[in-house]
Amino acid sequence: QKEVEQDPGPLSVPEGAIVSLNCTYSNSAFQYFMWYRQYSRKGPELLMYTYSSGNKEDGRFTAQVDKSSKYISLFIRDSQPSDSATYLCAMSPNQAGTALIFGKGTTLSVSS
Amino acid sequence: GAVVSQHPSRVICKSGTSVKIECRSLDFQATTMFWYRQFPKQSLMLMATSNEGSKATYEQGVEKDKFLINHASLTLSTLTVTSAHPEDSSFYICSAFGGTEAFFGQGTRLTVV
Repeated sequence: QKEVEQDPGPLSVPEGAIVSLNCTYSNSAFQYFMWYRQYSRKGPELLMYTYSSGNKEDGRFTAQVDKSSKYISLFIRDSQPSDSATYLCAMSPNQAGTALIFGKGTTLSVSS
Repeated sequence: GAVVSQHPSRVICKSGTSVKIECRSLDFQATTMFWYRQFPKQSLMLMATSNEGSKATYEQGVEKDKFLINHASLTLSTLTVTSAHPEDSSFYICSAFGGTEAFFGQGTRLTVV
């Protein structure tokens, strides 16, 4: 079993839809959870950063962490064509100075 | 916000030659940088951890003599792919922590022909 599992998709939705992206993990030591967005042939950029369990909201994006189930989610409301990208979950046992463990990434396409 | 600059963004080289990729933290000091490799439709896989002033720590299965890492200053780490072969063709990405957040370079697309 890989440390982080993420459905690679692809996921296609119409503009305005609510998108749900998910990852599961096996290492209970993970405390910090991140979602990155990666456009084609570019480096990842941080979208959301969450510590431990709970929800965090930033504009159209909401990140949820359920440590008891080892399950994290990213919700995108009112999806836009510009949201079309690959979304990578990443996690770490430490806040800083530790390499991140990434999921495979889910490719999202939002059509207008 | 903090910026990590990676250069070149794209390189094509002949089999058997060496290629150097640079990663710079532009507005912060990074004692630790990370080098990842990403295959198409795959996750970022950690290759090595680069520590300023000391030897890099390589992940299992990564050849340290093939992927030379030098972290000569607090703002610069380099990855040299030596005697490159077509199977080394991939997307290489560096990362550095600025404060509590990991910042990523733009990535380097290496094609070995």
